[in-house]
Amino acid sequence: DTGVSQDPRHKITKRGQNVTFRCDPISEHNRLYWYRQTLGQGPEFLTYFQNEAQLEKSRLLSDRFSAERPKGSFSTLEIQRTEQGDSAMYLCASSLNSWDEQFFGPGTRLTVL
Amino acid sequence: GENVEQHPSTLSVQEGDSAVIKCTYSDSASNYFPWYKQELGKRPQLIIDIRSNVGEKKDQRIAVTLNKTAKHFSLHITETQPEDSAVYFCAAILQGGSEKLVFGKGTKLTVNP
Repeated sequence: DTGVSQDPRHKITKRGQNVTFRCDPISEHNRLYWYRQTLGQGPEFLTYFQNEAQLEKSRLLSDRFSAERPKGSFSTLEIQRTEQGDSAMYLCASSLNSWDEQFFGPGTRLTVL
Repeated sequence: GENVEQHPSTLSVQEGDSAVIKCTYSDSASNYFPWYKQELGKRPQLIIDIRSNVGEKKDQRIAVTLNKTAKHFSLHITETQPEDSAVYFCAAILQGGSEKLVFGKGTKLTVNP
């Protein structure tokens, strides 16, 4: 499969625990984006990378969230001290350049108990 | 501010009828407007996009129109089929130093056979 992949697909955790998600973009894509989607809403931007550089973070992203793309390929999104309000689908997308089609991964569904 | 308004939130049509979904945006410098289709439990997928130097774009039964003066764009689906049933999201890349996609809240389209 040459599309965007994400791992894990589902994660159930207890409040206060840390979680880490991984995204593997389409191999030649320079841009990588993280979104969060809750039921009945559109994807909400969290952050994006141009190669290994993190170019923008949403003002809604608390200090508990951190993302990396160390070699400009895969990316990880970590949430520390999870809260019930963090429960959502976390979507990753990649594109060749800005203003190009963003291809989405299948998402990681996080449930915080 | 950064805002994309989408209407209606739900739309029900009979098979063969047309469906129209409208979005307005707040940033006059916006220049890229994609539409995504998301089936239940699946990832968003691009169905059509339009850039600011074009007023209309068509791909078989799907068309998008853009009115930059009024800051709105619309998705038109003709000869609807039951498999068109899904949630449709409009989005816009907003300028002003940011290149993130801002999504509307979605329109749940139901095509009744």
